[in-house]
Amino acid sequence: AQSVAQPEDQVNVAEGNPLTVKCTYSVSGNPYLFWYVQYPNRGLQFLLKYITGDNLVKGSYGFEAEFNKSQTSFHLKKPSALVSDSALYFCAVRDGNQGGKLIFGQGTELSVKP
Amino acid sequence: DTAVSQTPKYLVTQMGNDKSIKCEQNLGHDTMYWYKQDSKKFLKIMFSYNNKELIINETVPNRFSPKSPDKAHLNLHINSLELGDSAVYFCASSQSVPGRYTGELFFGEGSRLTVL
Repeated sequence: AQSVAQPEDQVNVAEGNPLTVKCTYSVSGNPYLFWYVQYPNRGLQFLLKYITGDNLVKGSYGFEAEFNKSQTSFHLKKPSALVSDSALYFCAVRDGNQGGKLIFGQGTELSVKP
Repeated sequence: DTAVSQTPKYLVTQMGNDKSIKCEQNLGHDTMYWYKQDSKKFLKIMFSYNNKELIINETVPNRFSPKSPDKAHLNLHINSLELGDSAVYFCASSQSVPGRYTGELFFGEGSRLTVL
């Protein structure tokens, strides 16, 4: 079965510093991987995805993610964090066998302090 | 112009009542979903419909009954509400047609259900 894991419940970063939010995956076949962000009392917003092609994927709000097949990882990164990046981040994998549903990790709370 | 809209945004009700949540998408997508987010923020798929046909039913109690009158709408009716049904319910949509598939799901803003 497809799954993703986010090993950190919380990540704390100082504003201006680089940030990384970790995600590892387990899939059979080629992975379709996604990152979403959820601000308080809001829905999930799509950030970026990896389906095929370059291992470094660029997305919204200056975020990028690196697909690493050998380490089965898809870490989310940003070179310089903003206080407004503080939110809950979800990694997800598409379950190709079941109508395209996304299976989500448990989420990582990112806190960026001034 | 909201892409995926859910109503109501908030629901507070007593145990044993019946309630419905409605969802509409104007993206022209062919697949819609209901997800449940619990108090620990964990997201779990409940149902998925493709062109009005149920394709995913993830062992949800049969008190939950989804209905899709057309591919732009997916409603969720819950009978005999229980305390454990308190959660945020998210509707989402995606395009699954081969050649038009982009992969990502588009989510509504959520409907927060509180059962007292």
